[in-house]
Parts: sequence; structure tokens; C-alpha cells
Amino acid sequence: DSGVTQTPKHLITATGQRVTLRCSPRSGDLSVYWYQQSLDQGLQFLIQYYNGEERAKGNILERFSAQQFPDLHSELNLSSLELGDSALYFCASLGRRSSGANVLTFGAGSRLTVL
Amino acid sequence: SQELEQSPQSLIVQEGKNLTINCTSSKTLYGLYWYKQKYGEGLIFLMMLQKGGEEKSHEKITAKLDEKKQQSSLHITASQPSHAGIYLCGAGRTNTGNQFYFGTGTSLTVIP
Repeated sequence: DSGVTQTPKHLITATGQRVTLRCSPRSGDLSVYWYQQSLDQGLQFLIQYYNGEERAKGNILERFSAQQFPDLHSELNLSSLELGDSALYFCASLGRRSSGANVLTFGAGSRLTVL
Repeated sequence: SQELEQSPQSLIVQEGKNLTINCTSSKTLYGLYWYKQKYGEGLIFLMMLQKGGEEKSHEKITAKLDEKKQQSSLHITASQPSHAGIYLCGAGRTNTGNQFYFGTGTSLTVIP
């Protein structure tokens, strides 16, 4: 168990629908990152939040949005889903580890299948 | 084009053999991370390298950073089936590391 919790683990939905993926970061970590992993695109950075504020944006589509709540959990909302949105979505939290280095710790991922 | 290029893309080795995976950055490196991913699962942190010439080991896995060449290599000695998976290198885009991005990954298969 990495300490980063993602729900749901699996999700199957239809094109045009909207889904919400949820992430709870590792205890004490303030920063949350979202990534999308597909076979042809690899691991793509979507967006980062730090203590409730958006800090960096990557290749996130306009149909996607995210937020981080006061309790530091984060949600990634995917709307008007297309077949190409089928992928593994990872959440990761950034924090200082015992070695002193800032390390990204990943959750187990949410597998989204759009039919 | 990818900012972090990994080679090879895939590797199939016999158990007991040594192997090396390379990661080359097209931009200035502010730390280099190595992760391992079992198929369909989350990424597991292996190690982080911060300074040029730095070398770290974790069990039979050793990673080195050549800051001048903006390259890192991951070496596995006496590979075992448990080493199989996808290895990804990652880096921060700035020295504050706000955007962590990853290489294309190297898929490793170890044949018993």
C-alpha cells in the first residue's frame, strides 16, 4: 500500500458520459498530480494541485477538470467521454521522504473503459 | 517529441543476465527518478539521483547520473523474473519540480 488511495479501480461507461475519479494523497503530502497512461501515449502529465490551488497544467483536455479540496483529496472530472479517453488514470502525491528527497508516490490507478 | 527518451523500448533477457536501460533528457535535468511498474499497476519508486556522477543502488539495481550528458542509466545485475515490468525515468521540468514528466518506458521480460 503506497498510501495514495484512488477510487474507483475500474470504471466502464459509454461515450458522451461523465465520470469522476477520486484520489486521497499520502498523509502529510500537500501536492497532488494527475496522469493519464495509454498504450500509445505513455504516461502523460495532466495537472497538479498544491494545497487546494492549481500549480501546473500539462496535456489536459478542456473536457477534463480537476480540483483539490480543503481535506486535500482531489477529484478528476472527465466529461463528454470519447473512446480515446480509455486509459489508466493515476494520481500521485509529492512529499519529502526519509531520505530528504521529494518523491512522487503513485496510487494504484483507475482504469477507465469507454464503450 | 519526448523530453525524456528511453532505450531500448523493450528488452527480453534470460534469467541471470545483466542489462542496462538508458534515459536521455533533451532539457536540463533537475533530478532524475527511476520507477518500476508492473503491468496495469501503479508506479513504484526505485531511486532518485540529484547530482552529476551520483550512483545509487537498490538490491541488484544500480542507477547513475551523467549530468553533463543529461543521461541516466539503470543497470540490473543477475536479472530475475521479479525484475520484469516497465521501467520509467522521470524528471522535474524546473528546479521546483512542479511538472514531473516521464519517459516512454522500457518493458523488461525475464525468461526463467
